[in-house]
Amino acid sequence: AQSVTQPDIHITVSEGASLELRCNYSYGATPYLFWYVQSPGQGLQLLLKYFSGDTLVQGIKGFEAEFKRSQSSFNLRKPSVHWSDAAEYFCAVGALDGGFKTIFGAGTRLFVKA
Amino acid sequence: NAGVTQTPKFRILKIGQSMTLQCTQDMNHNYMYWYRQDPGMGLKLIYYSVGAGITDKGEVPNGYNVSRSTTEDFPLRLELAAPSQTSVYFCASRDRALSSYNEQFFGPGTRLTVL
Repeated sequence: AQSVTQPDIHITVSEGASLELRCNYSYGATPYLFWYVQSPGQGLQLLLKYFSGDTLVQGIKGFEAEFKRSQSSFNLRKPSVHWSDAAEYFCAVGALDGGFKTIFGAGTRLFVKA
Repeated sequence: NAGVTQTPKFRILKIGQSMTLQCTQDMNHNYMYWYRQDPGMGLKLIYYSVGAGITDKGEVPNGYNVSRSTTEDFPLRLELAAPSQTSVYFCASRDRALSSYNEQFFGPGTRLTVL
């Protein structure tokens, strides 16, 4: 069965510091991978997605993620965090069965300190 | 385009009451989804639909019902509200195109409390 694990429930980084959020997935075939961000009181917004090709994908707001098949990982990174990046981040894998359902991880809440 | 809209934004129900959460999208998407979000649990799929007249259960369907009479609308019905249904509910939609496994577009959510 497909699953997504985000090992860190919450992370605190200083403004201007680099960020890496971890994501591991379990999927039998080539995965479709996503990172979404949820600001407080809002719905989810897509940051980036990976289907195939270059394993380093660029997203909005300066985020990038790297797909590593050997490690079943799809970690999200940002070189310099801004206070406005404080939010909850969800990694997700797309399942190609009926309905093209998406399996979400439990999320990582990012806190940014001044 | 308004995207995906949900009403109401907030609602408090008493145990045993019923209500319908409304969801509408104006992007002509065939696929629509209902999720619930509980703290620390991510999003769990309740029901989904691949087109008008077609619905199917997700991971946590008990206590809920859905219908899809039009492409635009996908209401979620709670018949006998229970405290365990206290959650934030999100509706989402996506295009059916297979060429680029499209992202899901989410509504702003409905925060439901059952007392």
